[in-house]
Amino acid sequence: DTAVSQTPKYLVTQMGNDKSIKCEQNLGHDTMYWYKQDSKKFLKIMFSYNNKELIINETVPNRFSPKSPDKAHLNLHINSLELGDSAVYFCASSQGVEDQRSFGPGTRLTVL
Amino acid sequence: SQQGEEDPQALSIQEGENATMNCSYKTSINNLQWYRQNSGRGLVHLILIRSNEREKHSGRLRVTLDTSKKSSSLLITASRAADTASYFCAPRSGGGADGLTFGKGTHLIIQP
Repeated sequence: DTAVSQTPKYLVTQMGNDKSIKCEQNLGHDTMYWYKQDSKKFLKIMFSYNNKELIINETVPNRFSPKSPDKAHLNLHINSLELGDSAVYFCASSQGVEDQRSFGPGTRLTVL
Repeated sequence: SQQGEEDPQALSIQEGENATMNCSYKTSINNLQWYRQNSGRGLVHLILIRSNEREKHSGRLRVTLDTSKKSSSLLITASRAADTASYFCAPRSGGGADGLTFGKGTHLIIQP
């Protein structure tokens, strides 16, 4: 009955590779988000999607691209991975942008 | 989006004591949200307090909001070992779609 789920939980890969992280929510929420938490524990918004439309993109390199096949899914594609991309990535959802977020368990990405 | 700043950065208390952590922000808000993050997990929403509210309770949690000082506090009463976690505040500004941005959080350790 997981509300927001992400796969994989851990991802270790080489620099230059392309990878994807999947996110699904079964809460019927209208908005989904991707956050990045770095080693200093700062949690920064990357993207949000509302009804399949991108509504924020916070100074994220264009190597990162969110893809939303439907309202319940928001996948994160990362091209040409760099060392600095190593972090924990969290997916989240909310009914509206004013509302509380429900977070997924996170995906720990390590780029070697 | 604006970032809340939590204080203190770390707090260690004995089980049974009360824990207070503070959050400051810079510009006017619609609401302010508090979240908890256990080690290695995603964030869990605790309380949302709206800008026209001054105090809100949920179980052992009490949140206050002072919009004139642009600050909020989270009080955990009768702390338990399970309360050990990082606590984040997220001020939510109005004016259209806006992703929450989080600070470094307060790392709370409850000693048995």
